[in-house]
Amino acid sequence: AQSVTQPDIHITVSEGASLELRCNYSYGATPYLFWYVQSPGQGLQLLLKYFSGDTLVQGIKGFEAEFKRSQSSFNLRKPSVHWSDAAEYFCAVAPRGSSYKLIFGSGTRLLVRP
Amino acid sequence: DAMVIQNPRYQVTQFGKPVTLSCSQTLNHNVMYWYQQKSSQAPKLLFHYYDKDFNNEADTPDNFQSRRPNTSFCFLDIRSPGLGDAAMYLCATSGRDWGKGEQYFGPGTRLTVT
Repeated sequence: AQSVTQPDIHITVSEGASLELRCNYSYGATPYLFWYVQSPGQGLQLLLKYFSGDTLVQGIKGFEAEFKRSQSSFNLRKPSVHWSDAAEYFCAVAPRGSSYKLIFGSGTRLLVRP
Repeated sequence: DAMVIQNPRYQVTQFGKPVTLSCSQTLNHNVMYWYQQKSSQAPKLLFHYYDKDFNNEADTPDNFQSRRPNTSFCFLDIRSPGLGDAAMYLCATSGRDWGKGEQYFGPGTRLTVT
């Protein structure tokens, strides 16, 4: 079945530590890939996207993500987390052929320890 | 700055009393979406407009309607809100890369049903 999986419901990291949030998808053809961040009570902000080309994409707020076709993954990384990064992170895909529609993962809540 | 605006940010309505949520955009995007997001869940697409063409998701209840009088504005009408309709409602827009799923979200309206 077609799906987007974020295996970690919660992740806690210390401020200044590195971060990796996992995202796996299951689609026949590689979909378009996105990461969004949502602070409490707010809308979703687009962090970065992958359409094609270089598999390492840079986003806003110091985030990057790497597309790995062999693993059907699009993991989000940040080398040094700040307290303001505490939020909910959603991986989303737009399947080719019905790509007006975003399919979201269930989200990962990031907590940052001082 | 070009943006997606939602009003009001917080709305309280009574059980069964019709309510309208508003979204406007200064991005001049062709496509506008409405999502429902319940606590600790991913956003769920209700419907979208491509210009004036309305597209309803198959599982969107009839209780939810939408209007798009012009490019800039889109409204979500809930005809008879139930307690289960309490949620965050997110408006999003998409422009040149709508076919690749790239969407920009507003800050959301938190709906409470009493």
